[in-house]
Amino acid sequence: GENVEQHPSTLSVQEGDSAVIKCTYSDSASNYFPWYKQELGKRPQLIIDIRSNVGEKKDQRIAVTLNKTAKHFSLHITETQPEDSAVYFCAASNAHQGAQKLVFGQGTRLTINP
Amino acid sequence: GAVVSQHPSWVICKSGTSVKIECRSLDFQATTMFWYRQFPKQSLMLMATSNEGSKATYEQGVEKDKFLINHASLTLSTLTVTSAHPEDSSFYICSARAGLAANEQFFGPGTRLTVL
Repeated sequence: GENVEQHPSTLSVQEGDSAVIKCTYSDSASNYFPWYKQELGKRPQLIIDIRSNVGEKKDQRIAVTLNKTAKHFSLHITETQPEDSAVYFCAASNAHQGAQKLVFGQGTRLTINP
Repeated sequence: GAVVSQHPSWVICKSGTSVKIECRSLDFQATTMFWYRQFPKQSLMLMATSNEGSKATYEQGVEKDKFLINHASLTLSTLTVTSAHPEDSSFYICSARAGLAANEQFFGPGTRLTVL
């Protein structure tokens, strides 16, 4: 089955700097890669996703890149703000598996220092 | 749109009792619902997948007789933790997917279960 590895587990950056979180996946059939932001005790919130027919997607300060050959994808947050502090999870799913289960990475605790 | 609710938001129970958690899709019909468990400072681990009108599919290592899942309608799935023990204390989160062709899952707010 699919296995998703996420790095780093913790990341601390100065406000205004950029943050990058990386994930690798094992199943070459995976074709949907969402990123979630989760605040303590809250539900995961989808912040951006990418499908395997594109290599990059951007939404304001957030961007995701996908390298299908290397089976890795990354989240880029620019001009970080204190409210970006949270735990971020990547995930992968395979549309060809009936249920399209999401397999999550281990999470990255991002801290933005003012 | 695409709102998923869970009830209760938190529950405290005694060891040996059973607890039922409801997951509802409020403004769409969910062909598939997923149940996750999240321990403190850990990732979301899928417990089971449920499709309306059929038996749930459990992930390896998840006891189906302990975690009963019922997906009786296109808007409601329930998870019952039977004979709960302290090690079952966790954050339980459901998600719902609208349509077989849909990728995105919409998450409920979670239920914090504490077993004394």
